[in-house]
Amino acid sequence: ILNVEQSPQSLHVQEGDSTNFTCSFPSSNFYALHWYRWETAKSPEALFVMTLNGDEKKKGRISATLNTKEGYSYLYIKGSQPEDSATYLCALKAAGNKLTFGGGTRVLVKP
Amino acid sequence: DAGVTQSPTHLIKTRGQHVTLRCSPISGHKSVSWYQQVLGQGPQFIFQYYEKEERGRGNFPDRFSARQFPNYSSELNVNALLLGDSALYLCASSAQGRTHMNTEAFFGQGTRLTVV
Repeated sequence: ILNVEQSPQSLHVQEGDSTNFTCSFPSSNFYALHWYRWETAKSPEALFVMTLNGDEKKKGRISATLNTKEGYSYLYIKGSQPEDSATYLCALKAAGNKLTFGGGTRVLVKP
Repeated sequence: DAGVTQSPTHLIKTRGQHVTLRCSPISGHKSVSWYQQVLGQGPQFIFQYYEKEERGRGNFPDRFSARQFPNYSSELNVNALLLGDSALYLCASSAQGRTHMNTEAFFGQGTRLTVV
């Protein structure tokens, strides 16, 4: 059973501040790590698919890094805005197309 | 192009009843996966279908079944509903069925099932 952990479970950020949070996963049988952004009452939105150790990806003010040797990924939000409030999910892809999700980090950006 | 569509959006059922949830993948996608998301947890994998064949099954009882149709749409069926089956059921579609590292999965908005 794959164990994907995300921390913290939730965090409050002041508008304009930057923040980051962690996804940890078993490093064996690694194929890819997915990050999703999930707003209430909407579909989870794909942010990044990361496959290579040392990968760094960026989309606007959101970026992510990947360390497959030690089994962790960081997601960074620079200059947080209220519209960044959402639950951020990471998911590990091992064999097959099955995604094993972490519990998510709920981010609330306060104006 | 329409994204992944799921129906119904909300559903209330009584214990012991049966339910069918439906999913239409993105046009051209041949793989559909089902996930169950209980409040406070991440989505849990239930099934994957590719080209109408089951390609993966999560740790769910036999009361859960699914199928994929020639047009690649899919149904998830749950028999003998229990209170613990109350959850958000998400469908995801992707272009590939096999393990391709960069294959993205696109999710629908889900069906909120409440069992009373």
